[in-house]
Amino acid sequence: GAGVSQSPSNKVTEKGKDVELRCDPISGHTALYWYRQSLGQGLEFLIYFQGNSAPDKSGLPSDRFSAERTGGSVSTLTIQRTQQEDSAVYLCASSLNVGQGVIGNQPQHFGDGTRLSIL
Amino acid sequence: DAKTTQPNSMESNEEEPVHLPCNHSTISGTDYIHWYRQLPSQGPEYVIHGLTSNVNNRMASLAIAEDRKSSTLILHRATLRDAAVYYCILRPYSGAGSYQLTFGKGTKLSVIP
Repeated sequence: GAGVSQSPSNKVTEKGKDVELRCDPISGHTALYWYRQSLGQGLEFLIYFQGNSAPDKSGLPSDRFSAERTGGSVSTLTIQRTQQEDSAVYLCASSLNVGQGVIGNQPQHFGDGTRLSIL
Repeated sequence: DAKTTQPNSMESNEEEPVHLPCNHSTISGTDYIHWYRQLPSQGPEYVIHGLTSNVNNRMASLAIAEDRKSSTLILHRATLRDAAVYYCILRPYSGAGSYQLTFGKGTKLSVIP
């Protein structure tokens, strides 16, 4: 079946511009996650959605970052007034949630990310 | 947070078995042991996970020590496509930390043709 799809795969933009990154999760996956990975670094958690709600936004680096999810499916991550330090690969993952908050035994399936470069 | 320790790098010959170790001496009773890998320029890929018993899937096997303080990911026949960084992660079954994946440095596996 189809995996997690992210678009665009690459985005180059000028400092100060706004960008929107899109994630299309695996059909039926209620949980969705955004991470970013800077060159040679580990994963940095950004936000977690359960359905259309975001129980944990604690990883968003600043108020320039926002995310939404509609219809329990597609999610967009928006970065306003981009800065050079925002350059990274932005990864989206999705998983099942068996309910009652039990999620630690559910594999997360990742897209190939959006490589964002801020000039 | 429960932490894991892995060797920085390992080498294997193609078509040979590979055993990737992971120590997690502070694991709690509700932590699942997950393995992911990441190939260059790709997103992380789920490999396998388990709680107490050994697990097998089409990609690999996971051997978990009886005291759960260590585990070993086994690739039965390494291929060139298995060259990647392998991450061993602990995740509680629910609550804080259960949904965030936190990767350490992992083990960089090189496969020699």
